[in-house]
Amino acid sequence: GQQLNQSPQSMFIQEGEDVSMNCTSSSIFNTWLWYKQDPGEGPVLLIALYKAGELTSNGRLTAQFGITRKDSFLNISASIPSDVGIYFCAGQLKGQGAQKLVFGQGTRLTINP
Amino acid sequence: DGGITQSPKYLFRKEGQNVTLSCEQNLNHDAMYWYRQDPGQGLRLIYYSQIVNDFQKGDIAEGYSVSREKKESFPLTVTSAQKNPTAFYLCASRVSRGYNEQFFGPGTRLTVL
Repeated sequence: GQQLNQSPQSMFIQEGEDVSMNCTSSSIFNTWLWYKQDPGEGPVLLIALYKAGELTSNGRLTAQFGITRKDSFLNISASIPSDVGIYFCAGQLKGQGAQKLVFGQGTRLTINP
Repeated sequence: DGGITQSPKYLFRKEGQNVTLSCEQNLNHDAMYWYRQDPGQGLRLIYYSQIVNDFQKGDIAEGYSVSREKKESFPLTVTSAQKNPTAFYLCASRVSRGYNEQFFGPGTRLTVL
């Protein structure tokens, strides 16, 4: 199936640092979603994006729907220990009538206190 | 308390046995999904259902079966034909057409011995 290229695969940062991660594809998407997953739990929706160029914030998290509709970015400012986890991007392809999502491989975030 | 429940959290089965994973939602969502997650990988779609009594195969349906007899329930059976069934299984639901956000349950970790 379709693939999203999510990078980086892992990040090791100090508490208080800002974090950036992104997802790219060769295909056009109508929707971009960002999820966070804690170990052994289901993913939790962080941000949903529906329009090209849209910039949306949720507390210290900010995500953007790329102008080309082929990418999206997630930034976390002033990281704290509870930000540790795996972050997934997901997108709905343009013309995908069945409302399926395509998921990235995830970015594993580790924070050193 | 609205949400998606999956049971059990941990499941152990002997090789060659069929096993059924439960997924229930009281969110009145129309669409429901089953995903498989393997270590270090993203989510792969097994089956999905947009309405009661109707479901479609996802990207990795071989060795799995589902039913959708009630709007709130979407059980997944892992059959003996699934060659590598040990994985983390996630159920999700989506509110209605026009909204692409999927919400996940807590997951079931299946181990086949």
